[in-house]
Amino acid sequence: NAGVMQNPRHLVRRRGQEARLRCSPMKGHSHVYWYRQLPEEGLKFMVYLQKENIIDESGMPKERFSAEFPKEGPSILRIQQVVRGDSAAYFCASSPSRGEAFFGQGTRLTVV
Amino acid sequence: QKEVEQDPGPLSVPEGAIVSLNCTYSNSAFQYFMWYRQYSRKGPELLMYTYSSGNKEDGRFTAQVDKSSKYISLFIRDSQPSDSATYLCAMSARADNNNDMRFGAGTRLTVKP
Repeated sequence: NAGVMQNPRHLVRRRGQEARLRCSPMKGHSHVYWYRQLPEEGLKFMVYLQKENIIDESGMPKERFSAEFPKEGPSILRIQQVVRGDSAAYFCASSPSRGEAFFGQGTRLTVV
Repeated sequence: QKEVEQDPGPLSVPEGAIVSLNCTYSNSAFQYFMWYRQYSRKGPELLMYTYSSGNKEDGRFTAQVDKSSKYISLFIRDSQPSDSATYLCAMSARADNNNDMRFGAGTRLTVKP
């Protein structure tokens, strides 16, 4: 059973471009969470999704950030018009219900 | 003041030492306390999960929670080089609420052979 798969592992974008981060949850998991980790800071919750529904987006910036988890395919975290401050590691986690969440290896976004 | 405070270290110990990692918090509503281990360039993995005050032991790892002091600890006995990682504390007010968890900044631990 493959773990949570995130791609790409590393992503470099110029300021103003769009970044798309993908997360395929573990088989049988229908709950997906996105977190951001800045250097010397802990993980910060961004958004919680179930299939086709956003359950909690309280941690996601109102501007430029969006997330989806379609019926088919991976969950996508989309950052439009990236700025240097968006540079961070973005982690996705999945769980079968409300229990323990398993994390992916993360996508490291660098904005130049 | 941050909701969860954790000394980032780095902490370096010789193999076999007892390691003590700690976090303090300010929100008295927190009831559920977790410790995650994160190896370099990897995602966090859940190590210990405790509810309310008390101790929980799992092999070489012991988690302690003192709610009266708003202080939690993770002890690692007979530390091994394979324990070298960043350890993140996390806590939440409700059970199994991954979207409510608040994380510490993480303590980077190195165990030297």
